[in-house]
Amino acid sequence: QKEVEQNSGPLSVPEGAIASLNCTYSDRGSQSFFWYRQYSGKSPELIMSIYSNGDKEDGRFTAQLNKASQYVSLLIRDSQPSDSATYLCAVKPGGFKTIFGAGTRLFVKA
Amino acid sequence: EAQVTQNPRYLITVTGKKLTVTCSQNMNHEYMSWYRQDPGLGLRQIYYSMNVEVTDKGDVPEGYKVSRKEKRNFPLILESPSPNQTSLYFCASSRDRGRANYGYTFGSGTRLTVV
Repeated sequence: QKEVEQNSGPLSVPEGAIASLNCTYSDRGSQSFFWYRQYSGKSPELIMSIYSNGDKEDGRFTAQLNKASQYVSLLIRDSQPSDSATYLCAVKPGGFKTIFGAGTRLFVKA
Repeated sequence: EAQVTQNPRYLITVTGKKLTVTCSQNMNHEYMSWYRQDPGLGLRQIYYSMNVEVTDKGDVPEGYKVSRKEKRNFPLILESPSPNQTSLYFCASSRDRGRANYGYTFGSGTRLTVV
């Protein structure tokens, strides 16, 4: 089992819809969780961080964390074509390493 | 502008010819790290550094070396590159300190091809 798992996609949603991206992790002691967006040919860009169970909202983005179930998700409301990218889930188990999932490709159709 | 600068952006080299990829950050971050990104495998951590003169192995350190003589610089050294090191490399920095965890700022990437 991979330490951080994501569906590779592609996930395709129509413009204006909610895109839901999911991530599961294996280390129950993980403390910090991040979502990065990576456009094709570009470097990853941090969009959300979450540390406690529950929801964290930032504009159109909502990160959700459930430590008991070991999953973290990212919701994108009112999806736009400019949101089309690969979304990377990253987990810090508590030490100095950060482990990334392989990413989910999102396509938002105009 | 706060940034992580990597050089070169593209590099084609031959097997066995030593090379260095430079990385510099201007944010006074203590934590820096190198990752490689391969299709289907995602980002895998090569080495990281918690501060000057403090480095440690990530998940895929074989064939790589690093040094951290200054806070701002964290070069990646391939002493004898092999074709399986063909990849996209990212340097990243973070203001992580102690138990506080923050996200990364990434450099623009270096696409390395070893023939």
